Amino acid sequence: AQSVTQLDSQVPVFEEAPVELRCNYSSSVSVYLFWYVQYPNQGLQLLLKYLSGSTLVKGINGFEAEFNKSQTSFHLRKPSVHISDTAEYFCAVSDRGGSSNTGKLIFGQGTTLQVKP
Amino acid sequence: GAGVSQSPRYKVAKRGQDVALRCDPISGHVSLFWYQQALGQGPEFLTYFQNEAQLDKSGLPSDRFFAERPEGSVSTLKIQRTQQEDSAVYLCASSTTRETEAFFGQGTRLTVV
Repeated sequence: AQSVTQLDSQVPVFEEAPVELRCNYSSSVSVYLFWYVQYPNQGLQLLLKYLSGSTLVKGINGFEAEFNKSQTSFHLRKPSVHISDTAEYFCAVSDRGGSSNTGKLIFGQGTTLQVKP
Repeated sequence: GAGVSQSPRYKVAKRGQDVALRCDPISGHVSLFWYQQALGQGPEFLTYFQNEAQLDKSGLPSDRFFAERPEGSVSTLKIQRTQQEDSAVYLCASSTTRETEAFFGQGTRLTVV
């Protein structure tokens, strides 16, 4: 079984400052890793994903994340945030192996990013 | 359509009432997922379809929950005899394969009173 822990429930930050949203996962098998963003009353939008290859993944809206296998982490970063980045962010994993894998996502509890002017 | 469409967007049900939530996935998407998102929580997996076959229903919380996708496109999530703990946002997602991006609908917010 897999689990995802997002270490911060809320992250307040001033506009144009850098931000890091932390994510750790636990799994007995290899996984794919994802970050989704959810704006109020909206569905989830994919920011970025790690399937294989380079451990530094770049996504939309200037976000990037680094997969660290030894620390089982997939932290999300942005060098300079905007007011419009205020939203809920979810880290998720999916079992990568086997024909029985459905691709279902296991989500963390979410981190609220609050960007202040 | 351009994206995953869910209806209704909002549903208020009296306790004990049956409800049906509809999901129109992106055309041609083989995989379809239902998730339940309680207030302030991350989404939790309910069930998975590959075309019309329901291959995983391990996340359905009770036998009051039932999902179908009879023709491999539109899916319906039905909840019988709704309880207050069923209040949540129900999200539908579709994808082409398990490795590709899952596109989410805006969700149906169910409130049981």
